[in-house]
Amino acid sequence: QKEVEQDPGPLSVPEGAIVSLNCTYSNSAFQYFMWYRQYSRKGPELLMYTYSSGNKEDGRFTAQVDKSSKYISLFIRDSQPSDSATYLCAGSAGNMLTFGGGTRLMVKP
Amino acid sequence: GAVVSQHPSRVICKSGTSVKIECRSLDFQATTMFWYRQFPKQSLMLMATSNEGSKATYEQGVEKDKFLINHASLTLSTLTVTSAHPEDSSFYICSAISGSMGSGELFFGEGSRLTVL
Repeated sequence: QKEVEQDPGPLSVPEGAIVSLNCTYSNSAFQYFMWYRQYSRKGPELLMYTYSSGNKEDGRFTAQVDKSSKYISLFIRDSQPSDSATYLCAGSAGNMLTFGGGTRLMVKP
Repeated sequence: GAVVSQHPSRVICKSGTSVKIECRSLDFQATTMFWYRQFPKQSLMLMATSNEGSKATYEQGVEKDKFLINHASLTLSTLTVTSAHPEDSSFYICSAISGSMGSGELFFGEGSRLTVL
């Protein structure tokens, strides 16, 4: 079993839709949780990070962590075609990051 | 924000040759850098952790004699793929920590696509 599981998609939504991206993890030692966005043929860029359980909002993006169920979510409101990318979740224990496989999102105009 | 630069972004080489990829932190000092490999439609696979002034720590299954990592300064780490073969063709990405990992301050380079003919 992978430490971080993520549905690979692709997830196709119409422009303006609310997108929900999810991950599950198994490592109880994870304390920080990150979401990265990766455009095709580019390196990942950090979108958001959260510490322990709770919500964090940044513009159209909301990250949610439920440590009791080991569930991580990223919500995108008013999705745009420019949001089309692969979204990687990751958990951090100490100095190491463990990534999920990524979910490919396609937002159609 | 912090920027990590990777060079070259794309390289094609013949089988048996060696290729060097550079990873630079442009506006911060990075005591720790990471090298990843990513196959198409797959996640990042950590290859090694590079610490300035010391030997890299390789993940299980990664050949340290094939993937030479040098972290000679606080702003530069290099990955050399020695005697490259077609199966080494992949997307190689580096990342660097600005500050402590705990706060998510990990920045990625743009990646280097290696094609071995």
